[in-house]
Amino acid sequence: KQEVTQIPAALSVPEGENLVLNCSFTDSAIYNLQWFRQDPGKGLTSLLLIQSSQREQTSGRLNASLDKSSGRSTLYIAASQPGDSATYLCAVSGSNYQLIWGAGTKLIIKP
Amino acid sequence: ETGVTQTPRHLVMGMTNKKSLKCEQHLGHNAMYWYKQSAKKPLELMFVYNFKEQTENNSVPSRFSPECPNSSHLFLHLHTLQPEDSALYLCASSPGATATYEQYFGPGTRLTVT
Repeated sequence: KQEVTQIPAALSVPEGENLVLNCSFTDSAIYNLQWFRQDPGKGLTSLLLIQSSQREQTSGRLNASLDKSSGRSTLYIAASQPGDSATYLCAVSGSNYQLIWGAGTKLIIKP
Repeated sequence: ETGVTQTPRHLVMGMTNKKSLKCEQHLGHNAMYWYKQSAKKPLELMFVYNFKEQTENNSVPSRFSPECPNSSHLFLHLHTLQPEDSALYLCASSPGATATYEQYFGPGTRLTVT
């Protein structure tokens, strides 16, 4: 059974720092991996989707990497801003092609 | 705005009440989902509908009853709930009912069962 873990559960850093969020999964036979952002009262927003054949995806200050063999993904945020404060969720496609979710990392960027 | 709306945004109900959650998508998608998000736990997929037909039911208790009258609307009927059912209920839609498609989420309904 696929399990997704995100460590740390919470992270607080000063504005301007580069940071890395981690996601690990137990079954490397995934279809794709997605990173989402959740803001209070605003649902979830998809940030990046990495297909199983890809190693990374970039969008603006965000870069997500995927290492299927080790069951790991990282989300790199460059030059962090207070507006980046949110909960970041990682999800992988399961054997039935539905998403299996991590519990998230709550990120706080201090001005 | 993601094109997915949910009403109500907040709901408090007793264990003997009957209420319904509503979700509407304006994206022309064919698949719709209900998720449950409890505090500090991963999202749990509850139901999936594709072209109005239910394709997934992840062992959800019968006190939760979904309804999908068309591809744009999804309801979750609630009756005789338990306090442990208090959570954020999220609706999502996607062009098709597989993880190859990006899912678009509504803001959720915060449900409290007293």
